[in-house]
Amino acid sequence: GAVVSQHPSWVICKSGTSVKIECRSLDFQATTMFWYRQFPKQSLMLMATSNEGSKATYEQGVEKDKFLINHASLTLSTLTVTSAHPEDSSFYICSASEGVGEKLFFGSGTQLSVL
Amino acid sequence: TQLLEQSPQFLSIQEGENLTVYCNSSSVFSSLQWYRQEPGEGPVLLVTVVTGGEVKKLKRLTFQFGDARKDSSLHITAAQPGDTGLYLCAGLSNTGNQFYFGTGTSLTVIP
Repeated sequence: GAVVSQHPSWVICKSGTSVKIECRSLDFQATTMFWYRQFPKQSLMLMATSNEGSKATYEQGVEKDKFLINHASLTLSTLTVTSAHPEDSSFYICSASEGVGEKLFFGSGTQLSVL
Repeated sequence: TQLLEQSPQFLSIQEGENLTVYCNSSSVFSSLQWYRQEPGEGPVLLVTVVTGGEVKKLKRLTFQFGDARKDSSLHITAAQPGDTGLYLCAGLSNTGNQFYFGTGTSLTVIP
């Protein structure tokens, strides 16, 4: 089945630094990728929808200048948390699909801890 | 925003018991998916239901899509510790361009 690779699995950084998270579709071309944030035992909160070759669409309340998304190719999307602060600590997950409304495949998530 | 409310939010049961998780909305979805997620991992797709009234079985798990395609249920028979996890429903909008995730149900099965 389709595989989505997310890297790194966990990262610890100092407050004020930036962190980049990668999401790759390994055996299919993902025209659309989604980025979510998740708190323990809670559902996924959609942050943004990333379309290859165009600007990401951010959900209400998500700062686009803080959470930079780049979808430069059909197999790679990146989320950069800029000037991270402790309140940005969370589990971040990406998902990818081959097209609009197609089945979603999820990455394994990235646990970010900002000290 | 199309909201999908899941109930219960938390559930702790003994091994061997049966349980049902509900996923309700006032909106109509073209399809609905159920996922299970374990701590520190991404969600894993369990099933997709498409037709109103559809019932799908996956071993001890039974999924049903409501006749009006606004709600769904997941029934687990004789729960086992391996069923422990966060269960998420997700509805595909009628426009087919976005998935909306439910509020989640955290299940713990005690041996």
